[in-house]
Amino acid sequence: GQQLNQSPQSMFIQEGEDVSMNCTSSSIFNTWLWYKQDPGEGPVLLIALYKAGELTSNGRLTAQFGITRKDSFLNISASIPSDVGIYFCAGRVGETSGSRLTFGEGTQLTVNP
Amino acid sequence: NAGVTQTPKFQVLKTGQSMTLQCAQDMNHEYMSWYRQDPGMGLRLIHYSVGAGITDQGEVPNGYNVSRSTTEDFPLRLLSAAPSQTSVYFCASKRQGSRTEAFFGQGTRLTVV
Repeated sequence: GQQLNQSPQSMFIQEGEDVSMNCTSSSIFNTWLWYKQDPGEGPVLLIALYKAGELTSNGRLTAQFGITRKDSFLNISASIPSDVGIYFCAGRVGETSGSRLTFGEGTQLTVNP
Repeated sequence: NAGVTQTPKFQVLKTGQSMTLQCAQDMNHEYMSWYRQDPGMGLRLIHYSVGAGITDQGEVPNGYNVSRSTTEDFPLRLLSAAPSQTSVYFCASKRQGSRTEAFFGQGTRLTVV
């Protein structure tokens, strides 16, 4: 099946720094999603990307759908302590609502005040 | 506005015991799914349903059963729990149609001893 390689696995940064993480796949995806998971909670959708080359922002977060359809990245600018959590990328091949999501392994982000 | 509700939040089982993890959503979403989350492995799809009376297997279905008798509920049954099923389980739901993404519950942390 499809696999997503997410990197880095973990990041330790100072408050105010910018963060970048990415996902790559050997398969083509038609949708890329980025989720954040706080401790003890379920994943929450941050950004959804539906078109190759698409660049979308949500506040301090910016994500891009790679031109090859095999990668995506997420940037967080001017990090703050509440950015701490696990960030997951997810990809979907099909266009129908029944098609499955494949998740990356996650990036654990720690922000030091 | 409950969204996706999972019960219980925590559970300890002995090997061989059976139990049902409950999932309910009040958004009238057609699509529901179950994932398990293990350290360093992201979320993996166990079973999913595109509507009442319809279920299908995901990536890791062995040892789990599901049914979908109503739109609102999608219980996950462990027939004979094994230590390998120790994990955090997430239920998710989404509306049919393109460009609509999943809402996740808060998770059930299951330990099998």
